[in-house]
Amino acid sequence: EVQLVESGGVVVQPGGSLRLSCAASGFAFDDYTIHWVRQAPGKGLEWVSLITWDGGTTYYADSVKGRFTISRDNSKSSLYLQMNRLRTEDTAFYYCTKGKGPDIGTSSSYEDWGQGTLVTVSS
Amino acid sequence: DIQMTQSPSSLSASVGDRVTITCRASQSISNYLNWYQQRPGKAPKFLIYAASSLQSGVPSRFSGSGSGTDFTLTISSLQPEDFAIYYCQQTYSIPPTFGLGTKVEI
Repeated sequence: EVQLVESGGVVVQPGGSLRLSCAASGFAFDDYTIHWVRQAPGKGLEWVSLITWDGGTTYYADSVKGRFTISRDNSKSSLYLQMNRLRTEDTAFYYCTKGKGPDIGTSSSYEDWGQGTLVTVSS
Repeated sequence: DIQMTQSPSSLSASVGDRVTITCRASQSISNYLNWYQQRPGKAPKFLIYAASSLQSGVPSRFSGSGSGTDFTLTISSLQPEDFAIYYCQQTYSIPPTFGLGTKVEI
């Protein structure tokens, strides 16, 4: 059974930094492109970032580019999101997601989701 | 970025009703269209991929259709557990983008 468990969400002040983690199990993590998707409370879904199986290719939403960094450690089956210069509009549940397939194209069909971790940016 | 427009934003229906939700893309996306269901306090659930293919384990009362720019999600006979928010998503290009959602209420 695929499991994705996010952690690291806390309350942080604007301008602060935070690192989210996602622990994966139940599938060949090092074969898959993995994404972060976020959802502000009561709002819709917003794609944040993706990273290919080897970490060699990353993409970011314009809203986070230059502030967030996605990374992975395949030896630990873990995904990370380093979040810097946080803004109030970054307040959201952050989900790591696994797609139907391992490549960039099929990875965007989110077959599996974690339970999410809540990041609150507030003074 | 490709914009996804869903309609209606919300609807009221009864158990047993047939429900149709529409999603329109700002440009042609072939059949690179997925549907998700989200119940309160839960992560989204993957329902339909490639516009019309039912994800394993999803009840057959759910169906999807369309290609190009216009797509529909149909629930043939609404069940109590179907009251939720439904999102469409395009995977034709990066960034993958979602519609704003359709809330199906009692």
